[in-house]
Amino acid sequence: KQEVTQIPAALSVPEGENLVLNCSFTDSAIYNLQWFRQDPGKGLTSLLLIQSSQREQTSGRLNASLDKSSGRSTLYIAASQPGDSATYLCAVQTPSGYALNFGKGTSLLVTP
Amino acid sequence: NAGVTQTPKFQVLKTGQSMTLQCAQDMNHNSMYWYRQDPGMGLRLIYYSASEGTTDKGEVPNGYNVSRLNKREFSLRLESAAPSQTSVYFCASSRQRSETQYFGPGTRLLVL
Repeated sequence: KQEVTQIPAALSVPEGENLVLNCSFTDSAIYNLQWFRQDPGKGLTSLLLIQSSQREQTSGRLNASLDKSSGRSTLYIAASQPGDSATYLCAVQTPSGYALNFGKGTSLLVTP
Repeated sequence: NAGVTQTPKFQVLKTGQSMTLQCAQDMNHNSMYWYRQDPGMGLRLIYYSASEGTTDKGEVPNGYNVSRLNKREFSLRLESAAPSQTSVYFCASSRQRSETQYFGPGTRLLVL
């Protein structure tokens, strides 16, 4: 079974800092990898999707990279803002199924 | 364009009661999913529907049934609720298996 791990579990940074969230997975045979954001008591908002053939995707201040051979993805957030405070979830889809296998998330707090 | 909608938002049940969680999407997506989110366990797939007329089990299907009523709607039924089914339930949809999954706002279920 594909295991997805996110480190750190929690992170607190001052506003304006650039930061990196990490995601690792045990089986390199993936279909795609998605990064989500979840605000307290809310649903998940998709941030970026990286297909297995891609190395990175960018959206605004967000950049996600994928290294299948090492089983790792990173989410880079530039010039962090208090509004970026949320839990960030990494999810991997394997070729054999429809399910997304989720990590447990990194809880990010950006302080003014 | 409402995206993915779920009803109800919150429900309290007694052990043994039954209920149906409703989900609808207005994005003309082919695939729909039901996940549950529990503290310390992350999100896990209960059932999915790859396309209208098909349903398949996910990682944790026991105690649940689903119906893909039409292309827009995918319901989740608890026939005899148990305290272990206390959770937050999310519905999601995607145009195709390999594409971004979009999530609803969730249903918080408490089984006493």
